[in-house]
Amino acid sequence: GDSVTQMEGPVTLSEEAFLTINCTYTATGYPSLFWYVQYPGEGLQLLLKATKADDKGSNKGFEATYRKETTSFHLEKGSVQVSDSAVYFCALSAPAQGSQGNLIFGKGTKLSVKP
Amino acid sequence: DVKVTQSSRYLVKRTGEKVFLECVQDMDHENMFWYRQDPGLGLRLIYFSYDVKMKEKGDIPEGYSVSREKKERFSLILESASTNQTSMYLCASTLLGQGVGGYTFGSGTRLTVV
Repeated sequence: GDSVTQMEGPVTLSEEAFLTINCTYTATGYPSLFWYVQYPGEGLQLLLKATKADDKGSNKGFEATYRKETTSFHLEKGSVQVSDSAVYFCALSAPAQGSQGNLIFGKGTKLSVKP
Repeated sequence: DVKVTQSSRYLVKRTGEKVFLECVQDMDHENMFWYRQDPGLGLRLIYFSYDVKMKEKGDIPEGYSVSREKKERFSLILESASTNQTSMYLCASTLLGQGVGGYTFGSGTRLTVV
């Protein structure tokens, strides 16, 4: 079945470091791909998304490119801040889900950014 | 902004109790979902609903039931709480046909069963 695999955390970085969180997926057809972020004590928020191959989603300095050939959607940011400390979830919505578009989530990667 | 409100942030219940977790959304969304979040396991779908009085099982429905009597409210019921249901519970909603990524989540209810 459809699935999402993302790198295990926790990831600890110093402020202004470069961030990459890897995400790969398995799905039939052409899924849409997402990154969600969960700040401490809060629910999940949509960070960015891409709906077709080679699309780049971006928001708040974060970027991810939909790579069909490698079935990947890695999250990157050039210079992280302490306020980026959160748990990041990669997710997909497969065409087989129809209009409901139920999301399938990865297990989450906790990022801690130190000053 | 769409708001999804979960009635309690923290809840402590005893084993065997019947537990109700409430979720209300204020933007006329058709789709509503209940997930549980556990360390190392990510988010797992318990139940979802596409319309009033309609429900579908997710990946881990055992030990849970749901109720959707009104469009804005989706309740998760633990019929007889057990310690392995200690978890963070997240509710989400989205418009029908725009489910692709457009989920709005509540802040979660952290349930402890003792």
